[in-house]
Amino acid sequence: QKEVEQDPGPLSVPEGAIVSLNCTYSNSAFQYFMWYRQYSRKGPELLMYTYSSGNKEDGRFTAQVDKSSKYISLFIRDSQPSDSATYLCAMDFGGGSGANSKLTFGKGITLSVRP
Amino acid sequence: EAGVTQSPTHLIKTRGQQATLRCSPISGHTSVYWYQQALGLGLQFLLWYDEGEERNRGNFPPRFSGRQFPNYSSELNVNALELEDSALYLCASSVWETQYFGPGTRLLVL
Repeated sequence: QKEVEQDPGPLSVPEGAIVSLNCTYSNSAFQYFMWYRQYSRKGPELLMYTYSSGNKEDGRFTAQVDKSSKYISLFIRDSQPSDSATYLCAMDFGGGSGANSKLTFGKGITLSVRP
Repeated sequence: EAGVTQSPTHLIKTRGQQATLRCSPISGHTSVYWYQQALGLGLQFLLWYDEGEERNRGNFPPRFSGRQFPNYSSELNVNALELEDSALYLCASSVWETQYFGPGTRLLVL
Protein backbone atom coordinates (compact mmCIF):
# COMPACT_ATOMS: atom_id res chain seq x y z
CA GLN A 1 0.00 0.00 0.00
CA LYS A 2 1.39 3.39 -1.00
CA GLU A 3 1.81 5.91 1.81
CA VAL A 4 -0.34 8.49 0.04
CA GLU A 5 -3.12 7.65 -2.37
CA GLN A 6 -4.83 10.26 -4.47
CA ASP A 7 -8.02 9.84 -6.48
CA PRO A 8 -7.07 9.10 -10.08
CA GLY A 9 -8.12 11.49 -12.81
CA PRO A 10 -8.49 13.28 -14.98
CA LEU A 11 -11.44 15.32 -13.76
CA SER A 12 -13.48 17.63 -15.99
CA VAL A 13 -16.13 19.99 -14.62
CA PRO A 14 -18.15 22.95 -15.95
CA GLU A 15 -17.27 26.46 -14.83
CA GLY A 16 -18.91 27.33 -11.52
CA ALA A 17 -18.96 23.75 -10.23
CA ILE A 18 -17.79 22.73 -6.77
CA VAL A 19 -14.76 20.47 -7.04
CA SER A 20 -13.74 17.93 -4.41
CA LEU A 21 -10.24 16.46 -4.50
CA ASN A 22 -9.25 13.74 -2.06
CA CYS A 23 -6.24 11.90 -0.65
CA THR A 24 -5.88 9.10 1.85
CA TYR A 25 -2.76 8.14 3.74
CA SER A 26 -1.59 5.16 5.73
CA ASN A 27 1.03 6.58 8.10
CA SER A 28 -0.52 8.19 11.15
CA ALA A 29 2.80 9.94 11.86
CA PHE A 30 2.06 12.52 9.16
CA GLN A 31 1.38 15.80 10.91
CA TYR A 32 1.39 18.45 8.20
CA PHE A 33 -0.79 18.46 5.11
CA MET A 34 -0.48 20.55 2.01
CA TRP A 35 -2.12 21.03 -1.35
CA TYR A 36 -0.07 22.18 -4.29
CA ARG A 37 -1.26 23.33 -7.70
CA GLN A 38 0.93 22.69 -10.72
CA TYR A 39 0.29 24.28 -14.07
CA SER A 40 1.68 22.62 -17.17
CA ARG A 41 5.47 22.92 -17.41
CA LYS A 42 5.71 24.80 -14.11
CA GLY A 43 6.80 23.91 -10.59
CA PRO A 44 4.19 23.15 -7.89
CA GLU A 45 2.74 26.19 -6.13
CA LEU A 46 1.64 25.93 -2.50
CA LEU A 47 -2.12 26.45 -2.17
CA MET A 48 -3.04 25.36 1.33
CA TYR A 49 -1.17 24.22 4.42
CA THR A 50 -2.61 22.82 7.61
CA TYR A 51 -1.54 20.69 10.55
CA SER A 52 -4.72 20.08 12.46
CA SER A 53 -7.93 18.21 11.84
CA GLY A 54 -10.78 20.38 10.66
CA ASN A 55 -11.32 22.90 7.91
CA LYS A 56 -9.18 25.77 6.70
CA GLU A 57 -10.61 28.27 4.23
CA ASP A 58 -8.82 30.63 1.87
CA GLY A 59 -11.04 32.38 -0.63
CA ARG A 60 -12.63 29.79 -2.89
CA PHE A 61 -10.46 27.01 -1.46
CA THR A 62 -11.18 24.90 1.63
CA ALA A 63 -8.80 22.26 2.95
CA GLN A 64 -10.22 19.57 5.18
CA VAL A 65 -8.23 17.15 7.32
CA ASP A 66 -9.61 14.14 9.17
CA LYS A 67 -6.71 12.54 11.02
CA SER A 68 -8.86 9.81 12.55
CA SER A 69 -9.82 8.59 9.07
CA LYS A 70 -6.44 9.52 7.53
CA TYR A 71 -8.23 11.50 4.85
CA ILE A 72 -7.72 14.97 3.44
CA SER A 73 -9.73 16.94 0.92
CA LEU A 74 -9.52 20.15 -1.07
CA PHE A 75 -12.74 21.85 -2.12
CA ILE A 76 -12.83 24.49 -4.83
CA ARG A 77 -15.98 26.62 -4.98
CA ASP A 78 -17.14 28.47 -8.09
CA SER A 79 -14.44 26.80 -10.16
CA GLN A 80 -12.88 28.85 -12.96
CA PRO A 81 -11.06 27.85 -16.16
CA SER A 82 -7.92 29.29 -14.55
CA ASP A 83 -8.19 26.52 -11.93
CA SER A 84 -7.34 23.99 -14.65
CA ALA A 85 -4.12 22.39 -13.41
CA THR A 86 -2.77 19.33 -11.65
CA TYR A 87 -3.44 19.25 -7.91
CA LEU A 88 -1.07 17.37 -5.62
CA CYS A 89 -1.57 16.53 -1.98
CA ALA A 90 1.57 16.35 0.14
CA MET A 91 2.34 15.33 3.71
CA ASP A 92 5.18 15.77 6.15
CA PHE A 93 6.13 14.18 9.44
CA GLY A 94 7.08 17.57 10.79
CA GLY A 95 9.77 18.31 13.29
CA GLY A 96 11.45 21.12 11.38
CA SER A 97 15.00 19.97 10.85
CA GLY A 98 14.36 16.35 11.76
CA ALA A 99 15.74 13.56 9.64
CA ASN A 100 12.30 12.80 8.29
CA SER A 101 11.81 16.28 6.89
CA LYS A 102 10.66 15.57 3.36
CA LEU A 103 7.35 15.74 1.60
CA THR A 104 5.49 12.65 0.46
CA PHE A 105 3.24 13.43 -2.47
CA GLY A 106 0.18 11.90 -4.00
CA LYS A 107 0.43 11.25 -7.73
CA GLY A 108 -1.72 14.26 -8.56
CA ILE A 109 -5.01 14.71 -10.31
CA THR A 110 -5.47 16.81 -13.43
CA LEU A 111 -8.49 19.11 -13.28
CA SER A 112 -10.04 20.74 -16.32
CA VAL A 113 -12.70 23.44 -15.85
CA ARG A 114 -14.76 23.94 -19.01
CA PRO A 115 -15.96 27.48 -19.79
CA GLU B 1 11.03 38.67 -3.03
CA ALA B 2 12.55 36.38 -5.64
CA GLY B 3 11.39 32.78 -5.63
CA VAL B 4 13.39 29.62 -6.06
CA THR B 5 15.35 29.67 -9.30
CA GLN B 6 16.71 26.74 -11.26
CA SER B 7 19.03 26.39 -14.22
CA PRO B 8 19.08 25.31 -16.93
CA THR B 9 15.39 25.11 -17.84
CA HIS B 10 16.04 22.29 -20.28
CA LEU B 11 18.92 19.85 -20.63
CA ILE B 12 19.49 17.20 -23.27
CA LYS B 13 22.09 14.51 -22.65
CA THR B 14 22.91 11.07 -23.97
CA ARG B 15 23.15 7.83 -22.04
CA GLY B 16 26.27 7.56 -19.92
CA GLN B 17 26.88 11.30 -19.70
CA GLN B 18 26.72 13.40 -16.55
CA ALA B 19 24.18 16.15 -15.84
CA THR B 20 24.54 19.07 -13.42
CA LEU B 21 21.46 20.97 -12.29
CA ARG B 22 21.53 24.13 -10.19
CA CYS B 23 19.17 25.70 -7.67
CA SER B 24 19.11 28.98 -5.77
CA PRO B 25 16.77 29.05 -2.76
CA ILE B 26 14.62 31.90 -1.54
CA SER B 27 16.71 34.39 0.42
CA GLY B 28 16.85 33.35 4.06
CA HIS B 29 16.02 29.70 3.41
CA THR B 30 18.78 27.32 4.46
CA SER B 31 17.16 24.03 3.41
CA VAL B 32 17.10 22.82 -0.18
CA TYR B 33 15.22 19.75 -1.39
CA TRP B 34 15.47 17.96 -4.71
CA TYR B 35 12.61 15.96 -6.24
CA GLN B 36 12.23 13.97 -9.42
CA GLN B 37 8.92 14.14 -11.28
CA ALA B 38 8.84 11.41 -13.90
CA LEU B 39 5.82 10.73 -16.07
CA GLY B 40 3.38 8.48 -14.29
CA LEU B 41 5.41 8.27 -11.09
CA GLY B 42 4.61 11.54 -9.38
CA LEU B 43 7.02 13.57 -7.30
CA GLN B 44 9.73 11.47 -5.68
CA PHE B 45 12.01 12.83 -2.96
CA LEU B 46 15.69 12.75 -3.93
CA LEU B 47 17.84 14.73 -1.49
CA TRP B 48 17.66 17.23 1.33
CA TYR B 49 20.45 19.67 2.18
CA ASP B 50 20.53 21.94 5.18
CA GLU B 51 23.36 24.20 6.31
CA GLY B 52 25.70 22.61 3.79
CA GLU B 53 25.09 19.03 4.92
CA GLU B 54 23.15 16.19 3.30
CA ARG B 55 20.41 15.41 5.83
CA ASN B 56 18.35 12.79 4.04
CA ARG B 57 18.12 11.02 0.72
CA GLY B 58 15.37 9.14 -1.02
CA ASN B 59 15.44 5.72 -2.60
CA PHE B 60 17.76 6.60 -5.49
CA PRO B 61 21.12 5.09 -6.49
CA PRO B 62 24.40 6.77 -5.47
CA ARG B 63 24.89 8.17 -8.97
CA PHE B 64 22.43 10.84 -7.85
CA SER B 65 24.42 13.19 -5.66
CA GLY B 66 24.69 16.82 -4.87
CA ARG B 67 26.00 19.50 -2.61
CA GLN B 68 25.04 22.74 -0.98
CA PHE B 69 27.27 25.77 -1.11
CA PRO B 70 27.93 28.34 1.66
CA ASN B 71 25.40 30.70 0.06
CA TYR B 72 22.80 27.85 0.36
CA SER B 73 22.53 27.33 -3.39
CA SER B 74 22.68 23.72 -4.43
CA GLU B 75 23.77 21.48 -7.25
CA LEU B 76 22.37 18.09 -8.24
CA ASN B 77 24.64 15.78 -10.19
CA VAL B 78 23.47 12.72 -12.03
CA ASN B 79 26.24 10.43 -13.27
CA ALA B 80 26.06 7.66 -15.85
CA LEU B 81 22.72 8.87 -17.17
CA GLU B 82 20.10 6.30 -18.06
CA LEU B 83 17.04 6.74 -20.28
CA GLU B 84 14.72 6.49 -17.27
CA ASP B 85 16.39 9.53 -15.70
CA SER B 86 14.40 11.67 -18.14
CA ALA B 87 12.14 13.74 -15.91
CA LEU B 88 11.42 17.15 -14.46
CA TYR B 89 13.81 17.83 -11.58
CA LEU B 90 12.37 20.19 -9.01
CA CYS B 91 14.17 22.07 -6.31
CA ALA B 92 12.38 23.46 -3.26
CA SER B 93 13.52 25.60 -0.37
CA SER B 94 11.82 25.76 2.97
CA VAL B 95 11.12 27.53 6.14
CA TRP B 96 9.97 24.86 8.62
CA GLU B 97 7.53 22.49 6.91
CA THR B 98 6.48 24.78 4.06
CA GLN B 99 8.37 24.06 0.87
CA TYR B 100 8.41 26.43 -2.08
CA PHE B 101 9.27 25.05 -5.48
CA GLY B 102 11.21 26.36 -8.42
CA PRO B 103 10.11 25.92 -12.03
CA GLY B 104 12.24 22.82 -12.54
CA THR B 105 14.83 21.57 -15.01
CA ARG B 106 13.52 19.25 -17.68
CA LEU B 107 16.15 16.61 -18.38
CA LEU B 108 15.92 14.48 -21.49
CA VAL B 109 18.26 11.53 -21.87
CA LEU B 110 18.61 10.16 -25.39
